[in-house]
Amino acid sequence: DGGITQSPKYLFRKEGQNVTLSCEQNLNHDAMYWYRQDPGQGLRLIYYSQIVNDFQKGDIAEGYSVSREKKESFPLTVTSAQKNPTAFYLCASSTKGAGYSNQPQHFGDGTRLSIL
Amino acid sequence: GQNIDQPTEMTATEGAIVQINCTYQTSGFNGLFWYQQHAGEAPTFLSYNVLDGLEEKGRFSSFLSRSKGYSYLLLKELQMKDSASYLCAVRDGPGSARQLTFGSGTQLTVLP
Repeated sequence: DGGITQSPKYLFRKEGQNVTLSCEQNLNHDAMYWYRQDPGQGLRLIYYSQIVNDFQKGDIAEGYSVSREKKESFPLTVTSAQKNPTAFYLCASSTKGAGYSNQPQHFGDGTRLSIL
Repeated sequence: GQNIDQPTEMTATEGAIVQINCTYQTSGFNGLFWYQQHAGEAPTFLSYNVLDGLEEKGRFSSFLSRSKGYSYLLLKELQMKDSASYLCAVRDGPGSARQLTFGSGTQLTVLP
């Protein structure tokens, strides 16, 4: 079945440590996104990528980094510079429809990151 | 930039009808999406509106008025499983690469 796979489901970070969240999709989607969700809040865009080897900052990119070396993969690294990393992280992908028309984003099941 | 407002919480009774409103202010507009998110799970796509009017999909309908910057999601014949957060998301103007800006979500509780 096609879909988006995020791993791990739960992740714990120690002070001063970088951690990487995995996101893989087999939907042949061009665009991929990373969002952060805090309790009782909506999704905030961290980074997005429309094509391999290219990505753009979203609204809250500080303390995060990404790479897009393959179409299927868009890993997110939470660096030690991110002082409040505890949140639910969601990866999404979408096709690049004509004129960016009604192509909904499909989401993975998320990774819950906590600080030890 | 974008500003999207939704009520934080709503409560309704099983079998009833509920309307969840969303207002937005945007410099450009290329569509509005509604997503459903159960606690701890991924959001799932419900509906899309880009033209004014009502889009119906089974028990769920979504309405858009672009001149008023307003949308609503209508849920009929409520079931217990409809208890979830409902997210309104707006896409910037044509050709926008960043895609969507999400509201904070409306937590709907369906009571027996």
